[in-house]
Amino acid sequence: QISLKESGPTLVKPTQTLTLTCTFSGFSLSTSGVGVGWIRQPPGKALEWLALIYWDDDKRYNPSLKSRLTIAKDTSRNQVVLTVTNMDPVDTATYYCAHRTLPDYFFDYWGQGTLVAVSS
Amino acid sequence: ETVLTQSPGTLSLSPGERATLSCRASQSVSSSHLAWYQQKPGQAPRVLIYGASSRATGIPDRFSGSGSGTDFTLTITRLEPEDFAVYYCQQYGSPWTFGQGTKVEIK
Repeated sequence: QISLKESGPTLVKPTQTLTLTCTFSGFSLSTSGVGVGWIRQPPGKALEWLALIYWDDDKRYNPSLKSRLTIAKDTSRNQVVLTVTNMDPVDTATYYCAHRTLPDYFFDYWGQGTLVAVSS
Repeated sequence: ETVLTQSPGTLSLSPGERATLSCRASQSVSSSHLAWYQQKPGQAPRVLIYGASSRATGIPDRFSGSGSGTDFTLTITRLEPEDFAVYYCQQYGSPWTFGQGTKVEIK
């Protein structure tokens, strides 16, 4: 069965770069049509889509954050990495990774999420 | 960017009652691009409805979705205790966007 799990620091300082790793099982990111995305949720607030990477290395970013985001995959290790530069307290959120299969237009499997706080 | 506005913000109902949640888009959304999620405290979202009206695997038939264009609705015919949660609509686009959520709470 498909599962995903996020990992990374729980606390970063303002201006630092955040690196999060999504480790998954039950599928391969070399399989045609498969994608892994990142979505975040500030405490008590709504969900915000950040980025998506597909089996063919196509990458999509939220335009509002594109200059600060980088998504990459390591197919052999079944991992997707998201980096967010110049972190600010408003970036405090639970960060989720999630699975998508084309041609579906939704995320069908989600990780449990990891809470990242930004504070000096 | 397509903005999704959900209403009401909070819905206070009793178990057994019917819940009707609205999601309005700032521009037309293809029905195939609209999904609904349920999120309980401390948990990740779970997809309920995709393609505006198709139930995801394992979702009870008391959940149904409808709508087209800019107006979409999620209906829960008879609320069960486990249905009290926050519900989000989501559309596929550039970027993908989510509504701000509707909380269904016990009255």
